[in-house]
Amino acid sequence: EIVLTQSPGTLSLSPGERATLSCRASQSISTYLAWYQQKPGQAPRLLIYDASKRATGIPARFSGSGSGTDFTLTISSLESEDFAVYYCQQRNNWPVTFGPGTKVDIK
Amino acid sequence: QVQLVESGGGVVQPGGSLRLSCGASGFTFSKFGMHWVRQAPGKGLEWMTFLRSDGTIEYYADSVEGRFTISRDNSDNTLFLQMNALRAEDTAVYYCARDLRGPYLDLWGQGTLVTVSS
Repeated sequence: EIVLTQSPGTLSLSPGERATLSCRASQSISTYLAWYQQKPGQAPRLLIYDASKRATGIPARFSGSGSGTDFTLTISSLESEDFAVYYCQQRNNWPVTFGPGTKVDIK
Repeated sequence: QVQLVESGGGVVQPGGSLRLSCGASGFTFSKFGMHWVRQAPGKGLEWMTFLRSDGTIEYYADSVEGRFTISRDNSDNTLFLQMNALRAEDTAVYYCARDLRGPYLDLWGQGTLVTVSS
């Protein structure tokens, strides 16, 4: 099973700041990585897939990069609605696995 | 409207069984693989199981293999999760989700809460 680790656990930032979230895989997963956003009481929402492709309707301020074992989700300028928990997920091997999440909260 | 709606959650005793349903609308259900994912209270996401669009291939997480069974009725646009031998650690919100080009999860339901407690 591929283990994903995310850092930091919590990121405290102000609106308008840049957020950089990391996800590391226990073995190479090429670019088979997705990012999801989850707000309290809501289902997750797909943001990025194949490491860098934005899902339908996702604003351009969200971008993904990386390959192999190291990946990054960048939010270029935080909006109020972006404060949430972010999960990475790999699809290189079954079982599908998720990272433990990074919480982005308001500083 | 494109959506998934789960139902069937509730309180069940340890060792008991429960069957969850997920109704799909607004898209051609029979063309998509489907997943179940759960989230324990205050915890992260845990993928459970996947079923291919035609129902011929399925995968399970080790934590539920042999106890949970995924199935679907393409004529009724419905996904199911049969859960047997439930344990306290199965307590979670259960989400169904649509597969995007295997496997990313691009459409999620609102979730249904399963509580395993005596």
